[in-house]
Amino acid sequence: AQTVTQSQPEMSVQEAETVTLSCTYDTSESDYYLFWYKQPPSRQMILVIRQEAYKQQNATENRFSVNFQKAAKSFSLKISDSQLGDAAMYFCAYRSPGTASKLTFGTGTRLQVTL
Amino acid sequence: SAVISQKPSRDICQRGTSLTIQCQVDSQVTMMFWYRQQPGQSLTLIATANQGSEATYESGFVIDKFPISRPNLTFSTLTVSNMSPEDSSIYLCSVEKRTGGAGEQYFGPGTRLTVT
Repeated sequence: AQTVTQSQPEMSVQEAETVTLSCTYDTSESDYYLFWYKQPPSRQMILVIRQEAYKQQNATENRFSVNFQKAAKSFSLKISDSQLGDAAMYFCAYRSPGTASKLTFGTGTRLQVTL
Repeated sequence: SAVISQKPSRDICQRGTSLTIQCQVDSQVTMMFWYRQQPGQSLTLIATANQGSEATYESGFVIDKFPISRPNLTFSTLTVSNMSPEDSSIYLCSVEKRTGGAGEQYFGPGTRLTVT
């Protein structure tokens, strides 16, 4: 079974600065998908970014980018120019290929953004 | 993406009773999922709901406790039966949308359940 580990329960960043959230995973599969979700206090889970394992290029979405290291089974999220609205829980998730594949979530990292 | 609504958004229930949570999506989807998020915890998948067939439950979750209906491609319900305080959680439904072969899951706003 796949496992996802987020070793940072909490992180803090100053507004306009850059922060990196860590995620590692364990799998024997060669093809899979990785995701970062954001959960603000409203509790709505929001998809931030997606990475396909077969792609060597790191995914980017505006201020959000990932550092995907397949051999190391590492998938970190970098948030640039942090904003107050970025404050939330961030969950890393793994998904096997194929239909009806469930998401396996990490334990989450709470990000605080300070002035 | 997908627009998903859940009802109720929150409820306080007495132990021993049951609550049915509704999930409505704005477009037809094949796969719908129900997750539980216990206080301060991550999300755990309860079951996958397919239209026209029985739901598939994850280890530790049973149909008698969490019966699921999926009458059509835009709607599903999850019932939490014979509730106890340990069932106090946020319950979230999600749907899968496929983009170029990859599936992405989009979540509803969740139902916060408190059992007293």
